[in-house]
Amino acid sequence: NAGVTQTPKFQVLKTGQSMTLQCAQDMNHNSMYWYRQDPGMGLRLIYYSASEGTTDKGEVPNGYNVSRLNKREFSLRLESAAPSQTSVYFCASSRDRRNEKLFFGSGTQLSVL
Amino acid sequence: KNEVEQSPQNLTAQEGEFITINCSYSVGISALHWLQQHPGGGIVSLFMLSSGKKKHGRLIATINIQEKHSSLHITASHPRDSAVYICAVRGNQFYFGTGTSLTVIP
Repeated sequence: NAGVTQTPKFQVLKTGQSMTLQCAQDMNHNSMYWYRQDPGMGLRLIYYSASEGTTDKGEVPNGYNVSRLNKREFSLRLESAAPSQTSVYFCASSRDRRNEKLFFGSGTQLSVL
Repeated sequence: KNEVEQSPQNLTAQEGEFITINCSYSVGISALHWLQQHPGGGIVSLFMLSSGKKKHGRLIATINIQEKHSSLHITASHPRDSAVYICAVRGNQFYFGTGTSLTVIP
């Protein structure tokens, strides 16, 4: 069982470049999330998807877009990267609103120069 | 404003010591989660609780809903317990504390 698989693990971008972070889960979970983790701050929600076909903004959505491609996959896109988006990104999933034990991917360390 | 506050921020203990990490929150919640983030960065869920107490091995989590407070206890601490422990609460969304960095010295 792979759980939540997130790629890439590391990425360096120049300001203005674009990239997509990929996330897939094999636990048949309905809910999926993208968080960013910055020093001295708790995890902050960027976007989430409560079920296949739905996405909603979280606390810090500006500069990001997401796609819930199917039940397994939830991708995060940076269209024009900015230094303020330098962070560690985590994808997570949970079965549904009644059982929200979170399962996390291994994280993506992104640097925008 | 921080919906979730953890204390202490940093904690160093000798192997074998009893450890307590505290979490206070200010919002109404349906559940509280304790997470462990390893030095390599991966995050795993330790407990999800909405009342009372849960135990898993040497780890014990308690919650007092009236006081909006939870504690994570580690008995007979071991160097492999060294990690960042994060408290998260489920209100209208998830709110996360900034974590408690624990170092257990042999």
